[in-house]
Amino acid sequence: EPEVTQTPSHQVTQMGQEVILRCVPISNHLYFYWYRQILGQKVEFLVSFYNNEISEKSEIFDDQFSVERPDGSNFTLKIRSTKLEDSAMYFCASSHILAGGPGILFFGEGSRLTVL
Amino acid sequence: DQQVKQNSPSLSVQEGRISILNCDYTNSMFDYFLWYKKYPAEGPTFLISISSIKDKNEDGRFTVFLNKSAKHLSLHIVPSQPGDSAVYFCAAFRVTSGTYKYIFGTGTRLKVLA
Repeated sequence: EPEVTQTPSHQVTQMGQEVILRCVPISNHLYFYWYRQILGQKVEFLVSFYNNEISEKSEIFDDQFSVERPDGSNFTLKIRSTKLEDSAMYFCASSHILAGGPGILFFGEGSRLTVL
Repeated sequence: DQQVKQNSPSLSVQEGRISILNCDYTNSMFDYFLWYKKYPAEGPTFLISISSIKDKNEDGRFTVFLNKSAKHLSLHIVPSQPGDSAVYFCAAFRVTSGTYKYIFGTGTRLKVLA
């Protein structure tokens, strides 16, 4: 069964360092997303990506964040200068198109980011 | 702006009984509602969905009910099994100006007691 894969599973970094989280979405999906979940809190939307551009982003997704689909298979989330409050589980998701909009989200297992 | 709310952070149910998880929303423009289940250290997985034009959708042990006038939906699991113990997220989807966005609730932790 196709699945969304994410690397690394866990990354520990120092505050101020750059971090890149990688995702390989399901191959025939067209919509890509990043969500995050701070421990014990809700799953928060960061950004959606379609047709090689950002289609929507939340207020969390500020200038420190960027996304890229560099080679047609990977979908990356970069945090330029990490802050303590960026510590969270980051989930990548992808979906196929459905009449009237994107379909069901398929999530990866997450990348845990710990900022010290 | 909490558009999707799950007011019960946790729920415990005996095995074999019905589990009812509730979700309220504020935006009447949502097109679809979905339930996702999440085990620890895993990503959320899709469980069941319902279109805003319907009031019920059933899939095996899982049924979702939508009450548009009350802006409320619920997930019924019957009979509940220990393997159903997980965090359940309600999600709402809307198309806004050609973009697509899912909004998740805060989750309800279900514990099914053997």
